This record gives sequence, structure tokens and C-alpha cells, in this order.
Amino acid sequence: RKEVEQDPGPFNVPEGATVAFNCTYSNSASQSFFWYRQDCRKEPKLLMSVYSSGNEDGRFTAQLNRASQYISLLIRDSKLSDSATYLCVVNSLTNAGKSTFGDGTTLTVKP
Amino acid sequence: DAGVIQSPRHEVTEMGQEVTLRCKPISGHDYLFWYRQTMMRGLELLIYFNNNVPIDDSGMPEDRFSAKMPNASFSTLKIQPSEPRDSAVYFCASSLSRQEQFFGPGTRLTVL
Repeated sequence: RKEVEQDPGPFNVPEGATVAFNCTYSNSASQSFFWYRQDCRKEPKLLMSVYSSGNEDGRFTAQLNRASQYISLLIRDSKLSDSATYLCVVNSLTNAGKSTFGDGTTLTVKP
Repeated sequence: DAGVIQSPRHEVTEMGQEVTLRCKPISGHDYLFWYRQTMMRGLELLIYFNNNVPIDDSGMPEDRFSAKMPNASFSTLKIQPSEPRDSAVYFCASSLSRQEQFFGPGTRLTVL
């Protein structure tokens, strides 16, 4: 079993739709969590950190469920420009600075 | 801030040749990571450094791969000899105190 698992998708949604991605992690010592976005043929870029209390940044909401060991990303009112691959990232105390990346979920927003 | 700088951006070489990829991390960052990304295997961590010291190189595929970080502002990843299966995008990333990582634009390597 992979340490960080994501549904690869693809998710194909119309503009304006709400879409949610989940990511599960297996290491209970995981400490910090992030969502990255990667556009085709580009480098991954930080989208948002995920805090225990949940956090929101405009149309994006991230949540953490430590009991069930998953994090989620909700995108409201999706735009064409949201089309990308979304990577879930987990840091743990036992990995001394190393981040574990999920394989990513691909989102395509269509007109 | 210039961000993470990688060179070259593209490299095409023939099987058996030596390839050297370069990275300049963000000034002040104390962690540096080398990743490889392919369609088949996704993003793989090859090796990472903390304060210029290699911490975990378990992701390095084989002895043909080596990485160095002689100082806080420079790192190299070397493949010798290169093989077609090494073709991939190689990313360098840096971070401060185990926080979020900032990636360079990557080096697209093609080994013929």
C-alpha cells in the first residue's frame, strides 16, 4: 500500500461545478499536509497548506481528518484555468524533512 | 527572489554519455531535494540534503546516479553512464525547516 493515495481521476467537470478530491495517508505520525498544483509540463506549485481546523482560500477549501487519516480539497465554481493535476503532500515526524507526494488527481474543467 | 534555478532546461544526449544537472536553491533554505518524474512512475524522490549533508539517498536508482551539494547554494545530480530509461523530467526543490517545498522549472532529459 502506498503511503499517500489519491484517486487518479480524471475528473471531467463543467465550468461552475463544485469538485472534491480526497487523499488518504497511512503514517499516523504525519504532521503537516499540503496541496500542490501541477500544470502540464510545468513544476508542482504550492496551492495551499492544510491546517487541522480546515482552511479556505477563495474558491478552495482544504480539510484534514486525522482520525480517518485523510485530507480533502474542495473547489467551488470551477474555472477552465483550474484544469491541472492536484498533488497531495504529507510530511511526517518519522521522515525527518522528507515529503511524500501522492500520484495526483487530474482535473479537466470544460466549457 | 529568483526562486529555484535549474540548468540546463533541456538536455538531449546519447546512451553512455555523462549527464550533469545543476540546481541553485532559494537563498536561506536548508533542505534540497532531487526528484524524477515520468508518466509511468510519477514523481519520485531521488535524494535530499539538509544543510548540505545527504540525508536519504534510498531513491537513487543505482550506482550510475550520484548527487553532491558542495555548498548551500549549489547542487549537482550526475548520471554516468546514461541510459534511455533515464529519460524523464528532473526537478530540484528547496524548503526552509521542513515547510513547503519550492520547485525549480525542471530539466527535461532525453537519452537516445
